[in-house]
Amino acid sequence: NAGVTQTPKFQVLKTGQSMTLQCAQDMNHNSMYWYRQDPGMGLRLIYYSASEGTTDKGEVPNGYNVSRLNKREFSLRLESAAPSQTSVYFCASSERTGYRIKGAFFGQGTRLTVV
Amino acid sequence: QKEVEQDPGPLSVPEGAIVSLNCTYSNSAFQYFMWYRQYSRKGPELLMYTYSSGNKEDGRFTAQVDKSSKYISLFIRDSQPSDSATYLCAMELTNAGKSTFGDGTTLTVKP
Repeated sequence: NAGVTQTPKFQVLKTGQSMTLQCAQDMNHNSMYWYRQDPGMGLRLIYYSASEGTTDKGEVPNGYNVSRLNKREFSLRLESAAPSQTSVYFCASSERTGYRIKGAFFGQGTRLTVV
Repeated sequence: QKEVEQDPGPLSVPEGAIVSLNCTYSNSAFQYFMWYRQYSRKGPELLMYTYSSGNKEDGRFTAQVDKSSKYISLFIRDSQPSDSATYLCAMELTNAGKSTFGDGTTLTVKP
């Protein structure tokens, strides 16, 4: 059981370049999320997807786009990378029912540096 | 002002100590309160969550929520070196997974 898998693990981009971060989960969760974590800070939500075919903005969506390709996969795209987007990016998935959190899992992270 | 403020640490304790990790929040509408543990260069893992007020216990870990004071705590009993990590509190308005995180407290448990 792989859980949440992110690729790549590391990436260096030049300002203005584009790239897509890939995320896949094998737990059949409906909800998926993209967060960024800057040094010494907690995680901030970029985008989330409550179910296949739906996406919505989080706290810091500017400069990013997402695609929920199917139930398993949720990708994050940087169209024109900026140094301010240097961060560690985490993908997560969860299953919620009523008042219960049946599962919440994060990937290992993608360390992105924009120079 | 941030919606969620977490004691910044870092915190260093001897093995076997009781550890108290704390967060305060400003939005009284938060209903779900989570604690995550994050080892260095790893993704966070959900330790515990609480809906509304009250206490929840899981082994050596106890989570407390005091909504009247807008204050939550995580207690770790008989702390172990393997508990050395960064602990993140997180809160949600509804059970939709849109969490607002604290900045984390780094804990070191010395043998």
